[in-house]
Amino acid sequence: DTAVSQTPKYLVTQMGNDKSIKCEQNLGHDTMYWYKQDSKKFLKIMFSYNNKELIINETVPNRFSPKSPDKAHLNLHINSLELGDSAVYFCASSQAVRNEKLFFGSGTQLSVL
Amino acid sequence: GQQLNQSPQSMFIQEGEDVSMNCTSSSIFNTWLWYKQDPGEGPVLLIALYKAGELTSNGRLTAQFGITRKDSFLNISASIPSDVGIYFCAGQVKKTSYDKVIFGPGTSLSVIP
Repeated sequence: DTAVSQTPKYLVTQMGNDKSIKCEQNLGHDTMYWYKQDSKKFLKIMFSYNNKELIINETVPNRFSPKSPDKAHLNLHINSLELGDSAVYFCASSQAVRNEKLFFGSGTQLSVL
Repeated sequence: GQQLNQSPQSMFIQEGEDVSMNCTSSSIFNTWLWYKQDPGEGPVLLIALYKAGELTSNGRLTAQFGITRKDSFLNISASIPSDVGIYFCAGQVKKTSYDKVIFGPGTSLSVIP
């Protein structure tokens, strides 16, 4: 069983559309994250949720809205997609809010045309 | 803000050679981490370091936490083709109520059989 799974793997869409990426972890972890990896492979944290509560919001445009229905799921909804949103988005989880060991999903490659 | 620098940016080596890569920061970190990202996958934790001067091994990998707490290195001995990937150093930033893991820009490793 995949520990952190995210869907879809690939997402190709037009500018201006709204899209969602889903993430689920079966590790029993309390904390989940969204990271963005740009074309130069730089990984930057976007959001973190601990037990459904938002704890990190790294000056991400408000077109990005994370939602955590329960501690095993963290979804990312993006409104009015722009060309610059094209990137690989990684979901990750950790056992607790003060735990450095992150478990990543395999990523969602978003291409905005 | 805190930033990590990695060198070299990329490496091309022959199978069987040893590899060394570095990570530096202008800030002190309490925890240093090394992750590896295979093509098309998310990063996977290789080694975590918790004390200045600490030297830790994981198979053919050895990493050290610099004495100044501002740097770390990763060595890979007797490289094999499956060592190909991007190696990220990361540091754990402690905030009041949570921790945050920030990543360096990565070192891309190519192994020539």
